Amino acid sequence: SQELEQSPQSLIVQEGKNLTINCTSSKTLYGLYWYKQKYGEGLIFLMMLQKGGEEKSHEKITAKLDEKKQQSSLHITASQPSHAGIYLCGAAGTASKLTFGTGTRLQVTL
Amino acid sequence: ETGVTQTPRHLVMGMTNKKSLKCEQHLGHNAMYWYKQSAKKPLELMFVYSLEERVENNSVPSRFSPECPNSSHLFLHLHTLQPEDSALYLCASSQGPLAVEQFFGPGTRLTVL
Repeated sequence: SQELEQSPQSLIVQEGKNLTINCTSSKTLYGLYWYKQKYGEGLIFLMMLQKGGEEKSHEKITAKLDEKKQQSSLHITASQPSHAGIYLCGAAGTASKLTFGTGTRLQVTL
Repeated sequence: ETGVTQTPRHLVMGMTNKKSLKCEQHLGHNAMYWYKQSAKKPLELMFVYSLEERVENNSVPSRFSPECPNSSHLFLHLHTLQPEDSALYLCASSQGPLAVEQFFGPGTRLTVL
């Protein structure tokens, strides 16, 4: 079965700083999703990447898919307290089955 | 109500109790899911329903019993749970079981004493 490893597991950054979260798959990625979760709440879909080399942005969040490396990265520019939460990557499998990483907990300090 | 709603938001139950979790989606989707999220473990898919029929069951213990009476509602019936079943239970929906984007509810925080 496919496994997703996220790094780092947790991250504390000062407001205004940039940060990167990585997601590495044990198998070839056919689709990679990024979700954000506030503690104890549901997941919010951020973006989906399907093609190798694809890059998408939403406000100050940019995600890239490096298909050859079976890896995706999520980059936040000029972090804000509203960016705090748990970021989860998910990989598409069969019949809409998503495999998720263990998540990266982000804290943004003032 | 919009999106995906779940009730209750918090539930504490004893090992001999029987309770049910409810999920409702207001998005017109035809596929619904139950996930379990435990501390320091990846989100685990439990059940998938498409057009009210179960299409996926990931070796979930029989003490968890799902029910999907129509495309908008999904239940998870719980009985004789164990303390290790304490977790956040998330419901999601999508337009078709092959849809790539799933919309999640806020979850039910379950504690089994």
